[in-house]
Amino acid sequence: QQPVQSPQAVILREGEDAVINCSSSKALYSVHWYRQKHGEAPVFLMILLKGGEQKGHDKISASFNEKKQQSSLYLTASQLSYSGTYFCGTERGTSYGKLTFGQGTILTVHP
Amino acid sequence: EAGVAQSPRYKIIEKRQSVAFWCNPISGHATLYWYQQILGQGPKLLIQFQNNGVVDDSQLPKDRFSAERLKGVDSTLKIQPAKLEDSAVYLCASSLVMGLGSGDNEQFFGPGTRLTVL
Repeated sequence: QQPVQSPQAVILREGEDAVINCSSSKALYSVHWYRQKHGEAPVFLMILLKGGEQKGHDKISASFNEKKQQSSLYLTASQLSYSGTYFCGTERGTSYGKLTFGQGTILTVHP
Repeated sequence: EAGVAQSPRYKIIEKRQSVAFWCNPISGHATLYWYQQILGQGPKLLIQFQNNGVVDDSQLPKDRFSAERLKGVDSTLKIQPAKLEDSAVYLCASSLVMGLGSGDNEQFFGPGTRLTVL
């Protein structure tokens, strides 16, 4: 079952913060986050494992709330290069690496 | 390190014709995935290989789509005959391992093949 991402789109000015959420109705083992720029392949950002782990990568971090089966991606002090579509991919315990991707969140950062 | 290679990058065909896509994963990556990405949507898994064996093809329309990964390295995805709704970007991805969130199974995507069916 496809995870639900929110919001569908967000517009920011450089330096502003944003949060993208990914929710599943099924129990998850991990959540993967990817960013895709127009006409390009998705690029891996990070993996969150069940257990409420939080990870960070430069000014992009994420958390995974196992009780809620929800992951959130935090972008702080956004840069122009953050623009793109963000996808979460969810992995279930029986899926052996198979990811089900959400519909995506379009992030636009303006100067 | 070379990335995932795909060809062709673009293909335009008429409905009912056949088409084939090729993918060469990152060297040493045991797991290979084919995704279909329709404009405005997230990638949808079509088939997953572990070496040369199929792990999951539950979402592959087997009446028209086929895929193989001979020798456990590169892979070919074929559509025969194509329909208008097959217009999409076909992405190939590979990962080092196939595991349960092991942290090593991040997927590396190729540039994709944009298919237009007229």
